[in-house]
Amino acid sequence: AQRVTQPEKLLSVFKGAPVELKCNYSYSGSPELFWYVQYSRQRLQLLLRHISRESIKGFTADLNKGETSFHLKKPFAQEEDSAMYYCALSGTSYGKLTFGQGTILTVHP
Amino acid sequence: ETGVTQSPTHLIKTRGQQVTLRCSSQSGHNTVSWYQQALGQGPQFIFQYYREEENGRGNFPPRFSGLQFPNYSSELNVNALELDDSALYLCASSTVGNTIYFGEGSWLTVV
Repeated sequence: AQRVTQPEKLLSVFKGAPVELKCNYSYSGSPELFWYVQYSRQRLQLLLRHISRESIKGFTADLNKGETSFHLKKPFAQEEDSAMYYCALSGTSYGKLTFGQGTILTVHP
Repeated sequence: ETGVTQSPTHLIKTRGQQVTLRCSSQSGHNTVSWYQQALGQGPQFIFQYYREEENGRGNFPPRFSGLQFPNYSSELNVNALELDDSALYLCASSTVGNTIYFGEGSWLTVV
């Protein structure tokens, strides 16, 4: 069985502060990990996926297989980063995503 | 613009009724997945269709069924609606191995 855990339901930081959204997963094989973001009144959209190793909007995430984690980080948070963030896992069957419960990030001015 | 469109956006049904939700996938995408998102929860995988065949199913009862058409659009049907079926239903489309795009969802309220 595959599972994704996001331990923080709410996370508040001030503008310019570093931010880290935690994600832990459980999967017996080699997973593909994603971060999705949902801004207010917008659809769910892909932020980044671990295989592309890109940095999107200043966010990065490193897959740590030893700790089964895929934490999302940004060194300097911006107010426009305020959104709901979901970590998701895809196992052997591409496109069948298992999502965490999400973390609401609020960046205060 | 992702191009995944869903209809209707909102609907209210009575317990025991049946509902059909529709999804037009992004052009060229042959894979469509459906998710249920209850309030305060992450999306849960219902099933996936690839080239008109069901290609995997999550932990949902048989009263949740679907179709994919030759143009890759899709329907989600739910029979014998229960109060707990009240949720946002999301459609997602992709081609294998590539970015998965989500629609805005259909809000279903069962009363």
